Amino acid sequence: EPEVTQTPSHQVTQMGQEVILRCVPISNHLYFYWYRQILGQKVEFLVSFYNNEISEKSEIFDDQFSVERPDGSNFTLKIRSTKLEDSAMYFCASSGTGLANSPLHFGNGTRLTVT
Amino acid sequence: TQLLEQSPQFLSIQEGENLTVYCNSSSVFSSLQWYRQEPGEGPVLLVTVVTGGEVKKLKRLTFQFGDARKDSSLHITAAQPGDTGLYLCAGYDRGSTLGRLYFGRGTQLTVWP
Repeated sequence: EPEVTQTPSHQVTQMGQEVILRCVPISNHLYFYWYRQILGQKVEFLVSFYNNEISEKSEIFDDQFSVERPDGSNFTLKIRSTKLEDSAMYFCASSGTGLANSPLHFGNGTRLTVT
Repeated sequence: TQLLEQSPQFLSIQEGENLTVYCNSSSVFSSLQWYRQEPGEGPVLLVTVVTGGEVKKLKRLTFQFGDARKDSSLHITAAQPGDTGLYLCAGYDRGSTLGRLYFGRGTQLTVWP
């Protein structure tokens, strides 16, 4: 069964450094998302992306965050200058249609640790 | 912010027992989804409920959406150790764009053999 893959599985970085989290969505999917889950807290929406532009972003997704689909298969999340509070699991997801309630397929996440 | 409260937060039972977990909100949701998450993995969709009062069954799992579309429940019959995991409810509110799900904190279920 096709799946969403994320790399790396674990990223450790120092405060103030830039990180890029990578995702390969399911190949025929057109809608892409990033969510994050701080340890012990809820899964939170960050951003949705369709047709090479952001569809919606949450209040968490400030100017330090950006997303890109650089080559038609990868979907990346960049954090420009990481803060301690950016430490979390970051999940990429994709869906095949724009229909309401279309299921989201999540990757296994990247655990980001900012020291 | 749409709040989804799940209860109980933790549930530890013996194999063969029945259980129900709840997902409640003061807000109306256009639909609710239930996911199961294993350690080190992303959430995996179990079911989507859309219509108030809807009941869906997935083998030993029964999902219900409240009449007012503010709450949902998951009932597991004759739980097995393989049912162990974190059960998350997530909803689209009426103003959501596709993909903007609001998640509950989850119910961590442990089923002992």
